[in-house]
Amino acid sequence: DAGVIQSPRHEVTEMGQEVTLRCKPISGHDYLFWYRQTMMRGLELLIYFNNNVPIDDSGMPEDRFSAKMPNASFSTLKIQPSEPRDSAVYFCATYRRGGNIQYFGAGTRLSVL
Amino acid sequence: SQKIEQNSEALNIQEGKTATLTCNYTNYSPAYLQWYRQDPGRGPVFLLLIRENEKEKRKERLKVTFDTTLKQSLFHITASQPADSATYLCALDLMEKVTFGTGTKLQVIP
Repeated sequence: DAGVIQSPRHEVTEMGQEVTLRCKPISGHDYLFWYRQTMMRGLELLIYFNNNVPIDDSGMPEDRFSAKMPNASFSTLKIQPSEPRDSAVYFCATYRRGGNIQYFGAGTRLSVL
Repeated sequence: SQKIEQNSEALNIQEGKTATLTCNYTNYSPAYLQWYRQDPGRGPVFLLLIRENEKEKRKERLKVTFDTTLKQSLFHITASQPADSATYLCALDLMEKVTFGTGTKLQVIP
């Protein structure tokens, strides 16, 4: 398996623009997590899905953030409109129930100017 | 509120020595505690998992201890090498969610 695949690896955008981050989980993994990592706050959980259903979105900072998982092979995290304080590295991670170990993608480095 | 603290932001040690990293937590009763390694520009990679009823776990040069009374985990790297230089994150398993500490950046000096 190729592991968790995230795209793009880097995104530079201007304030106010819409940003969409993408994640392809490992096949067979039924949990998917979106994290945001900054120097100040470390790795923060934004939202997670089980079997494509959002379970806990309490970490989503504002209504500007939304996430979807239309099928078991794909998830998106969208920020609209983006702001400079959204600049961070966003990670997607997945695991299989009972496995406990999270497998992370390489992340998307987002810069909002 | 729930809190996870890793002892220091950065730790420098000499090659060949044992590195010891600390993870303290409050207001948790985790079923598991995990340690991950993160290299620059990459996502965290799983290293070890220890259950609440286990005191110690080993894997090659790595050793993890878990003291649920002290609410603390220690992560040891013996005979450290420059290739061990990375950021190490502890993570607590609570139900389906995993909460991560902010990490300790380890630098092994040749």
